[in-house]
Amino acid sequence: GAGVSQSPSNKVTEKGKDVELRCDPISGHTALYWYRQRLGQGLEFLIYFQGNSAPDKSGLPSDRFSAERTGESVSTLTIQRTQQEDSAVYLCASSLGYPLNQPQHFGDGTRLSIL
Amino acid sequence: AQSVSQHNHHVILSEAASLELGCNYSYGGTVNLFWYVQYPGQHLQLLLKYFSGDPLVKGIKGFEAEFIKSKFSFNLRKPSVQWSDTAEYFCAVIPFSGGYNKLIFGAGTRLAVHP
Repeated sequence: GAGVSQSPSNKVTEKGKDVELRCDPISGHTALYWYRQRLGQGLEFLIYFQGNSAPDKSGLPSDRFSAERTGESVSTLTIQRTQQEDSAVYLCASSLGYPLNQPQHFGDGTRLSIL
Repeated sequence: AQSVSQHNHHVILSEAASLELGCNYSYGGTVNLFWYVQYPGQHLQLLLKYFSGDPLVKGIKGFEAEFIKSKFSFNLRKPSVQWSDTAEYFCAVIPFSGGYNKLIFGAGTRLAVHP
């Protein structure tokens, strides 16, 4: 069956530009997560959506980062005025949501490179 | 600061050698524990998980992990590795203090198995 789909798989852009990353979760998964993985580091939690509840934005590193999700479908992560330190792989994951410890299923990620 | 620590960043083994990857966490209270694996060119996938019960957990491909509460550890083991086990391994914890399904990842251990 279809897994978590992310697009684009690679994105190269100039410093200062805005970028938008997309995530299509597994159908029926109410929970959706965004993570960032910088080179040589572990995954860093960014934001979590659960159904129609207010998202947990506690991991967003600055106000240049924002994410949207409509219902239980596609999510977009937007980075405004990109900086070189934003270069990383951005991973999306989805899960059934409840109970809270449902395993997360990951996409292949978007590799973002800021020149 | 509360965290998940993986002590070995790079491990190199020969086939048939035994493997143990360390993972320690610093969260008190109830935790759920996971090991994820990322094979070259593939997305992150769940290897095994511990929620409760028998602290020795068996996962896919002959892996197992032991939860030792007194040591705040969840080490991953495999008696005899294969070349196909070459991958990056991530320990992750859900600390049930905030009520959210927030996975906190370690920095990862890159395993290379030589034939």
